Amino acid sequence: DTGVSQDPRHKITKRGQNVTFRCDPISEHNRLYWYRQTLGQGPEFLTYFQNEAQLEKSRLLSDRFSAERPKGSFSTLEIQRTEQGDSAMYLCASSLASYRGEKLFFGSGTQLSVL
Amino acid sequence: AQSVTQLGSHVSVSEGALVLLRCNYSSSVPPYLFWYVQYPNQGLQLLLKYTSAATLVKGINGFEAEFKKSETSFHLTKPSAHMSDAAEYFCAVTSGQGQAGTALIFGKGTTLSVSS
Repeated sequence: DTGVSQDPRHKITKRGQNVTFRCDPISEHNRLYWYRQTLGQGPEFLTYFQNEAQLEKSRLLSDRFSAERPKGSFSTLEIQRTEQGDSAMYLCASSLASYRGEKLFFGSGTQLSVL
Repeated sequence: AQSVTQLGSHVSVSEGALVLLRCNYSSSVPPYLFWYVQYPNQGLQLLLKYTSAATLVKGINGFEAEFKKSETSFHLTKPSAHMSDAAEYFCAVTSGQGQAGTALIFGKGTTLSVSS
């Protein structure tokens, strides 16, 4: 169990640029979640996958955000035409699907700064 | 929609004192509830979870939480605080109505400070 890995750890970009983040979940986990966290706030749900299927997406999520998990393993989160308001920590978590309240394992996150 | 409210964004206690972090949930059906902790420069990790098996739930590092339906509360406690407990604590509820295995909705968090 090597844990959830996220790459890069930090990303600085200019407004209007596209950025892509990668998440490698724990290998046997079938669920993968993306969250966003800003200072002083709890993690905000963005989207999640079960295997390669995207099962839920936050209604608050802009169309500029897209996520994929093509082979049910790693996932990418892309933000197009970044805005300063996108600056946040982007967290990935993985789990084994459960009907008894699954435990999420979080990565250390990707800190995005949009200038 | 499911949600949780954490009362008090910052709690300060002395080492050895009782820790009480408050969480109230809104749900029309019994939810699944969680407490996560985030230590400085580390990822979030699960402290404990309530899944309707028992109302008093014991977690790691001496923490426990009690589910009280009549008060819609799931407060986190620890009898004696340790310096290493200083961290940010998040209460969370599953987004699905009465279902597990869906997205977690987090509260805004409570920062716990422990002084010697």
